[in-house]
Amino acid sequence: QQQVRQSPQSLTVWEGETAILNCSYEDSTFNYFPWYQQFPGEGPALLISISSVSDKKEDGRFTIFFNKREKKLSLHITDSQPGDSATYFCAARNTGGADRLTFGKGTQLIIQP
Amino acid sequence: GGIITQTPKFLIGQEGQKLTLKCQQNFNHDTMYWYRQDSGKGLRLIYYSITENDLQKGDLSEGYDASREKKSSFSLTVTSAQKNEMAVFLCASTGQGADTEVFFGKGTRLTVV
Repeated sequence: QQQVRQSPQSLTVWEGETAILNCSYEDSTFNYFPWYQQFPGEGPALLISISSVSDKKEDGRFTIFFNKREKKLSLHITDSQPGDSATYFCAARNTGGADRLTFGKGTQLIIQP
Repeated sequence: GGIITQTPKFLIGQEGQKLTLKCQQNFNHDTMYWYRQDSGKGLRLIYYSITENDLQKGDLSEGYDASREKKSSFSLTVTSAQKNEMAVFLCASTGQGADTEVFFGKGTRLTVV
């Protein structure tokens, strides 16, 4: 059973538009949700994260919206730039339990200039 | 800052061969991970270790062995390489405490011929 789901699998938006990447999870004990950004040939790097006590986290052009009741979250990238083109992974962790992150399958984002 | 170094960057092996991938971190992190990344399947946990000489199986441990000889290094062995194992193997590490960031290496790309 897939614990963390992401949609869409692939997304193309025009430069300057807002890209919205979706994530949902199954395990109600998950309480920490990092988003990772991965460029080709590189390992994933932490972009932004949120804990389950918050419903919103903002860092520049990147914002996470979190709905605990529906077990859903989304990453919004405003004023998209061609340099934002990458694969984005939603992950989840139970900070009180085993020290492991569970990842979604990723969304490949392409920003068209 | 620290770094995670994975060697080799590219590994070509014969089907049935035993292959070893190495990972070193200089963050002084307690926990280290091995993930496998297949195209379109996200990151799947193979093994992790919360301290020196500790080993914990992940979701994909069958066909692999791991060894945490010292705090800074974590190696992964493919016990008998199969052609359907062509993937990128990512090493990661994290410190103690809730919400601590997981850092990734750049990966080892395995090709089995």
